[in-house]
Amino acid sequence: ETGVTQTPRHLVMGMTNKKSLKCEQHLGHNAMYWYKQSAKKPLELMFVYNFKEQTENNSVPSRFSPECPNSSHLFLHLHTLQPEDSALYLCASSQDDGDQPQHFGDGTRLSIL
Amino acid sequence: GQSLEQPSEVTAVEGAIVQINCTYQTSGFYGLSWYQQHDGGAPTFLSYNALDGLEETGRFSSFLSRSDSYGYLLLQELQMKDSASYFCAVRDWGKLIFGQGTELSVKP
Repeated sequence: ETGVTQTPRHLVMGMTNKKSLKCEQHLGHNAMYWYKQSAKKPLELMFVYNFKEQTENNSVPSRFSPECPNSSHLFLHLHTLQPEDSALYLCASSQDDGDQPQHFGDGTRLSIL
Repeated sequence: GQSLEQPSEVTAVEGAIVQINCTYQTSGFYGLSWYQQHDGGAPTFLSYNALDGLEETGRFSSFLSRSDSYGYLLLQELQMKDSASYFCAVRDWGKLIFGQGTELSVKP
């Protein structure tokens, strides 16, 4: 496998459920990112990890909890989400958190009932 | 505050040339990037300008004027497969800030 892989591609959950999104990159990159993309809105940066350390939390509500066990894997743990959290969640990676291009996964389309 | 402005949509015909503009206002600036996203797909990197001037990569070129806080993406010899959303993005103190995206429709 190559590139950035996200699972699942689609997720429907109730507001009281707990679920996790997974991202895996096979590019040898050291930085990984979570973005939220809502309809008609720009991509919003959520979290940045560089060498497994979180370097950016863009004022994200605590119902979103990231985890980066190693440079190749990134998770987003979800609990008690709200309907407005329905969106496309994109994972990306880059060589480090500088000016290098970011490589994106296809995203997880999340729907909150 | 931080903001990037780009047109919401542009329509052009096959074989034509189209320019997508982006103006930005950020507290810091390290470079202007462009990404392409087809409907339902992942954003893919197109170009990056850190210095003033024109960068050419095949049919696509990108321009930056730091003094004007302005850049553009130029697409030549348009093809149907170029129909997609195009995002400009600015690196501002370590964070990549994206514009709202320009939806390009290429007609036969």
